[in-house]
Amino acid sequence: NAGVTQTPKFQVLKTGQSMTLQCAQDMNHEYMSWYRQDPGMGLRLIHYSVGAGITDQGEVPNGYNVSRSTTEDFPLRLLSAAPSQTSVYFCASSSSGSSYNEQFFGPGTRLTVL
Amino acid sequence: DQQVKQNSPSLSVQEGRISILNCDYTNSMFDYFLWYKKYPAEGPTFLISISSIKDKNEDGRFTVFLNKSAKHLSLHIVPSQPGDSAVYFCAASASDSNYQLIWGAGTKLIIKP
Repeated sequence: NAGVTQTPKFQVLKTGQSMTLQCAQDMNHEYMSWYRQDPGMGLRLIHYSVGAGITDQGEVPNGYNVSRSTTEDFPLRLLSAAPSQTSVYFCASSSSGSSYNEQFFGPGTRLTVL
Repeated sequence: DQQVKQNSPSLSVQEGRISILNCDYTNSMFDYFLWYKKYPAEGPTFLISISSIKDKNEDGRFTVFLNKSAKHLSLHIVPSQPGDSAVYFCAASASDSNYQLIWGAGTKLIIKP
């Protein structure tokens, strides 16, 4: 099993550009989520999904869109990149949304917006 | 306003000694707490957890203690090994908040030979 994979590992964007961060998992997990990690702060939840076709907002959703057309994939779209979105982005999955279930994380995407 | 705080950005411990990582929280509705470990260029991995109905949970060299009255938890690693050098995150959730995790900023643990 590859677990949770994320692409790309690194990305540099100019302000105003759009892009999609890819996330895939091969564990047949229903729950998937996106976090961002900024220096001196904990991970913050951007969006999450409890199953294909169902998404919801987390703590910091502004400027990001998600969709979940399959169980395996959960892409994160930046509509118009801003310097404030410079961060490390982690995708995670678990068998359910309950915190009692371990979340498995991808290796992260380091995004810089100039 | 951080609901989960890890006040020590870094901690240096001699190999073989005990490492104690601390975490404080402000939300009394939190009822489940987790520790994750993160190596550079990797995502966090789950380490150990504790429910609010307990005050201690052990898993091998790792023990988590919960003091609900003080809103404080700690992770003990005994004995500390070089492979324990990593960033440790404390996270908490409340059952009435869709189980969304609130994370601390992390503590970088350095194990010295």
